[in-house]
Amino acid sequence: ETGVTQTPRHLVMGMTNKKSLKCEQHLGHNAMYWYKQSAKKPLELMFVYSLEERVENNSVPSRFSPECPNSSHLFLHLHTLQPEDSALYLCASSQETSGGVHNEQFFGPGTRLTVL
Amino acid sequence: AQSVTQPDIHITVSEGASLELRCNYSYGATPYLFWYVQSPGQGLQLLLKYFSGDTLVQGIKGFEAEFKRSQSSFNLRKPSVHWSDAAEYFCAVVPFKAAGNKLTFGGGTRVLVKP
Repeated sequence: ETGVTQTPRHLVMGMTNKKSLKCEQHLGHNAMYWYKQSAKKPLELMFVYSLEERVENNSVPSRFSPECPNSSHLFLHLHTLQPEDSALYLCASSQETSGGVHNEQFFGPGTRLTVL
Repeated sequence: AQSVTQPDIHITVSEGASLELRCNYSYGATPYLFWYVQSPGQGLQLLLKYFSGDTLVQGIKGFEAEFKRSQSSFNLRKPSVHWSDAAEYFCAVVPFKAAGNKLTFGGGTRVLVKP
């Protein structure tokens, strides 16, 4: 148990559906992340939120829309996805400090997404 | 561009034998270095990290890693593997003092443990 939870753990959706992935961290961290893990590609960083402000959007298609309403919660809204978007979506959090010191990220168990 | 290479996609090792997983990075300055492990159906768990100082880093579960600046490597080792060490292992880097904690991962090495 890392202190980062994700729901749902599994999701199957059609290409015309709209769904949301939820991430919650209980660690008091100030930064949260979304990663995509596909079968044959390295883990890819999608979005970074620091102090609830998006600081990174790693060229992610607009059919993925993140939301960070507070420092403990992070959502990934999905709409009109493609089959190639099927993957494991991982959420992570960390405590960022000033001076560019990067602390470890704590990962949730992921949401296994299948797009039909 | 910054990159992380894990040359071995799969490694099979007998239980009780030693294990070494290779990681090389390409970056102008020494970055922060991490090793994570992912068990089936699980998220990633941090094994150890290197920021500065002693180049031999001890982690959890009996793992250690050695940073070699001259070789741009950060190889992970365990002297005696247990069946529960079967998992996928990822090396990751973050540029030193870069804006934002943006991990770049290697492709991973899947470890299979034979009885």
